[in-house]
Amino acid sequence: GENVEQHPSTLSVQEGDSAVIKCTYSDSASNYFPWYKQELGKRPQLIIDIRSNVGEKKDQRIAVTLNKTAKHFSLHITETQPEDSAVYFCNQAGTALIFGKGTTLSVSS
Amino acid sequence: NAGVTQTPKFQVLKTGQSMTLQCAQDMNHNSMYWYRQDPGMGLRLIYYSASEGTTDKGEVPNGYNVSRLNKREFSLRLESAAPSQTSVYFCASSRGGLAVSGNTIYFGEGSWLTVV
Repeated sequence: GENVEQHPSTLSVQEGDSAVIKCTYSDSASNYFPWYKQELGKRPQLIIDIRSNVGEKKDQRIAVTLNKTAKHFSLHITETQPEDSAVYFCNQAGTALIFGKGTTLSVSS
Repeated sequence: NAGVTQTPKFQVLKTGQSMTLQCAQDMNHNSMYWYRQDPGMGLRLIYYSASEGTTDKGEVPNGYNVSRLNKREFSLRLESAAPSQTSVYFCASSRGGLAVSGNTIYFGEGSWLTVV
């Protein structure tokens, strides 16, 4: 069946460093790739998404890249700040069922 | 515009007790979902309702029942709570259905349930 694998499960960086989280999906028909951020004790919320007709999308310090041939998409956070510390989830095609297991990002100052 | 509202926020149950988690959305969304979140397990779908009047099992439905009361409301019931059901529960909704691409999912604030 369809699945999405997310790596790494935990990521620790120093403030100002970059962070990259990758998700690999199985459904070749997928054409929408969102990322959700969940701060401690809060609800997951959409932070950025990309559709299959583009290879990259940026929003200030965050970006998402898509490689349809290899069937993976990545979240890039540059100049990390302590408030970026959270759990990040990828989601395949916007289908509610298929979330990655999450990456816990810790940014230390 | 409150989005997705779920109650209660915190609950402690004794093993064998029953309870219902309530959820309502005011975005006129067709689809609603219940997830549980456990450490290291991500978000796992318990049940979903693609439209008013329909419900379907997700990945981990055992021990739960749901009711789509109307388009706005989707409740989750634990008939006989077990310690394994200790978790954080999230209700969510989306405009489109389960397999609709481009489906932004809006979550409630979560319900922390402890079964002792």
